[in-house]
Order: sequence, then C-alpha cells, then structure tokens
Amino acid sequence: NAGVTQTPKFQVLKTGQSMTLQCAQDMNHEYMSWYRQDPGMGLRLIHYSVGAGITDQGEVPNGYNVSRSTTEDFPLRLLSAAPSQTSVYFCASRRDRANGYTFGSGTRLTVV
Amino acid sequence: AQSVTQPDIHITVSEGASLELRCNYSYGATPYLFWYVQSPGQGLQLLLKYFSGDTLVQGIKGFEAEFKRSQSSFNLRKPSVHWSDAAEYFCAVGVISSGSARQLTFGSGTQLTVLP
Repeated sequence: NAGVTQTPKFQVLKTGQSMTLQCAQDMNHEYMSWYRQDPGMGLRLIHYSVGAGITDQGEVPNGYNVSRSTTEDFPLRLLSAAPSQTSVYFCASRRDRANGYTFGSGTRLTVV
Repeated sequence: AQSVTQPDIHITVSEGASLELRCNYSYGATPYLFWYVQSPGQGLQLLLKYFSGDTLVQGIKGFEAEFKRSQSSFNLRKPSVHWSDAAEYFCAVGVISSGSARQLTFGSGTQLTVLP
C-alpha cells in the first residue's frame, strides 16, 4: 500500500554514536517533515522540507541533520546521539498545504 | 508564537456514550486545524481538518469537530463511542513558518479510555 515507510522500527544507540533514520514515501508528496514524540509533549517538529533540495529547521533541530535529494526520501541524521534524543520519531508527508499529513509508523530510539 | 492546548490529559467514557475532546489554540490569523488519532504503537491518522467555510467539519469514523473563532476552539465530538475508539487524540494547528509553508503545531494529546 502507498504510504510513508520508516526504518528501522526500533534502535538502541550508545551515546556519541551516529545513525540515520530512513523515511520514504511513494505518493509524490512535496512536503515532508520529521517529528519527535515525547510523553506529555505532543509532537514537536524537528526539520521539514517543501520539496527536493529544500529543507528548513523546525522547533527542535539541534543535533539533527536532514537532506532531501529526491522527492521520495527524507532521511534524518543524528550526528552524535545523546540520551535526550531518546524518543519516538515520526516522518510525515503531504501533497501540499491544503492537505493533512500522512504519518509513518514511527521509529522508537533509545540512547544509552 | 502559536500554541495548542488540550486541557484534558485523560478522558474515560462508557461505550455508547457521547464524547467531546477539547482543543484551544492561540494564533493570530485564521488557522488550519486538524485532529489526529494515534493507536498504541502506531503513527498518527488524520480524522478531519478545517481550512475555511462551514465551521462544522465531518471526519472519518463518525467524528466531527466545530470551529468556534470567538472561543479559539476546535472541539472534537462523537455521538456514540465504540470500544475501538480508545486511543490518543491530537489536535494540531497549521501555521505559517519562515519558509511560507504551513507547519503543524500539536497539542500534548488526550488519552481516551472506553469502558465496556
């Protein structure tokens, strides 16, 4: 089925390690975003993209990098993992501003 | 800065009872408003959205929401709750960001428990 695919679903990192969370969508959506979900805080925007080659920072961008070389893919990179980055990460995409987001199923990340 | 408040962290209702989940927003212009539902271990699913026009919006799964500008509210309602509605519900407001793209600010969520 068409949608947003996130990998991996679970990940444990040691402090200081780096990794990339993958996100791919097959709906030809221009807008893609990364959110983190923490208990009692809802979802907070990390980075977003309005099209291939265009990215911008959200509410909590520190410690994360993104790139958007294709319409389909929007990977999130953790450069040097910290325990404060333990969270559930959601990737989402939408066609344009007039539509709601379609969310991936999430990546649960634990940094020890 | 924009904000979204969901004043009820946890709500419990009996199956078949009516439901209202509250959402208040703070934003200078007319917002885009959304309600999402999240089942355990899953991503978020869009229930409904408001952009303009009729202030009563119908969504999926029998949900509706009413935009009240004077109260800065966008409450979610369902006349008769089913056990499968037990989940966490998020209200979100779409705002203009520096890139002229509307990004979403989410409330902290309301956990719904349905009693048999």
